[in-house]
Amino acid sequence: GAGVSQSPRYKVAKRGQDVALRCDPISGHVSLFWYQQALGQGPEFLTYFQNEAQLDKSGLPSDRFFAERPEGSVSTLKIQRTQQEDSAVYLCASSMLAGVLYEQYFGPGTRLTVT
Amino acid sequence: KQEVTQIPAALSVPEGENLVLNCSFTDSAIYNLQWFRQDPGKGLTSLLLIQSSQREQTSGRLNASLDKSSGRSTLYIAASQPGDSATYLCAAGGDSGYALNFGKGTSLLVTP
Repeated sequence: GAGVSQSPRYKVAKRGQDVALRCDPISGHVSLFWYQQALGQGPEFLTYFQNEAQLDKSGLPSDRFFAERPEGSVSTLKIQRTQQEDSAVYLCASSMLAGVLYEQYFGPGTRLTVT
Repeated sequence: KQEVTQIPAALSVPEGENLVLNCSFTDSAIYNLQWFRQDPGKGLTSLLLIQSSQREQTSGRLNASLDKSSGRSTLYIAASQPGDSATYLCAAGGDSGYALNFGKGTSLLVTP
């Protein structure tokens, strides 16, 4: 497909479990962003990759959150020892060039529920 | 930290009306302002991107304006249709690293 895809679309985890969320950006896009969207709120920035380099991880809420993009394409957001407050929709976005100047294209998100 | 506010939080209008959604931001040192649409259970769809050097952008029935000095942007929707029903989000970019800073959105309902 031509758009950003994310998997799984829905994930239910028991408190304390580890989860891994996948993002496939648009082919050739240099920039990749992760956001967290709580119910009724706007998305909150988590982290930014330019190709395989993680240039900004200032939004990651704790050291339980880890993201990688080892080959500069697919990215994985990992959450260790999930907590109830981690329940949210996790959105991935990509853009053609480096930085924040260019239009971001979003995937459908992964809805994480921690029970 | 950039604070982005959207007013109103919710809006209901009859089909055919023209309407304006408002977005304000506290830090005028932005690179751009982007408007998105979000349908229930879906991701965000980009509508319009205004660079800091621009005053407005138009796409079909949508027109977005940007006034950096006053920290405001508006999204104008002409001749609204029921298919326009969605949540509209604005986001300011470039004032702080690589983040887009989002408002909470305006939930729009267009009734037939």
